[in-house]
Amino acid sequence: DIRMTQSPSSLSASVGDRITITCRASQGISKDLAWFQQTPGKGPKSLIYDASKLESGVPSKFSGSGSGTDFTLTISTLQPEDFATYYCQQYHTYPLTFGGGTKVEIK
Amino acid sequence: EVQLVESGGGLVLPGRSLRLSCTTSGFAFDDYTMSWFRQAPGKGLEWIGFIRREAYGGTTDYAASVRGRFTISRDDSKDTAYLHMNNLKIDDTAVYYCTRCRDYIWGSYGDYWGQGTPVTVSS
Repeated sequence: DIRMTQSPSSLSASVGDRITITCRASQGISKDLAWFQQTPGKGPKSLIYDASKLESGVPSKFSGSGSGTDFTLTISTLQPEDFATYYCQQYHTYPLTFGGGTKVEIK
Repeated sequence: EVQLVESGGGLVLPGRSLRLSCTTSGFAFDDYTMSWFRQAPGKGLEWIGFIRREAYGGTTDYAASVRGRFTISRDDSKDTAYLHMNNLKIDDTAVYYCTRCRDYIWGSYGDYWGQGTPVTVSS
């Protein structure tokens, strides 16, 4: 199985900050990576697929980059609704596997 | 608007069975692979399995942790996917999500998720 390692596991930030979350795969996965946002009590929402493509309706303050084993999710200008937990997921091969999540909290 | 609504969760005794449903609307259900995922309390996300569309044979695959106990099926006439869970264990306690999947050569990801249905396995 491909192991996905996310860092940090949590971070504190202020409204207006720019943050970056990293995700590392245990083997090369090309660009077969998605990022999800999850708020308490809700199902995950897809933000980015193919490592850098924005889902329809997702604001451009979200961006993704990377290929192979190293990936990043950047959120520019944090807003109150962005405080949530973010997960990466590889879909290069089954079983599908996720990073452990990054909880973004208000400082 | 794409919508997925899971139902059928609840409290169940270890060793018993449960069937979850995922009722969908807003898209051509029979054109899509559907997957199930789960999230144990306070934990991350875990893939359970998928069912391909009938045009691709309706084939299924499962995570090792549930293979042989869980079965995914679909009824395209009802735009609904199902997760049949047998011989439930305490470690199966989680919120269960269904997703519409975007297929790739060797994998897929859920581009739309439901709100989840909780399953608690306890004596």
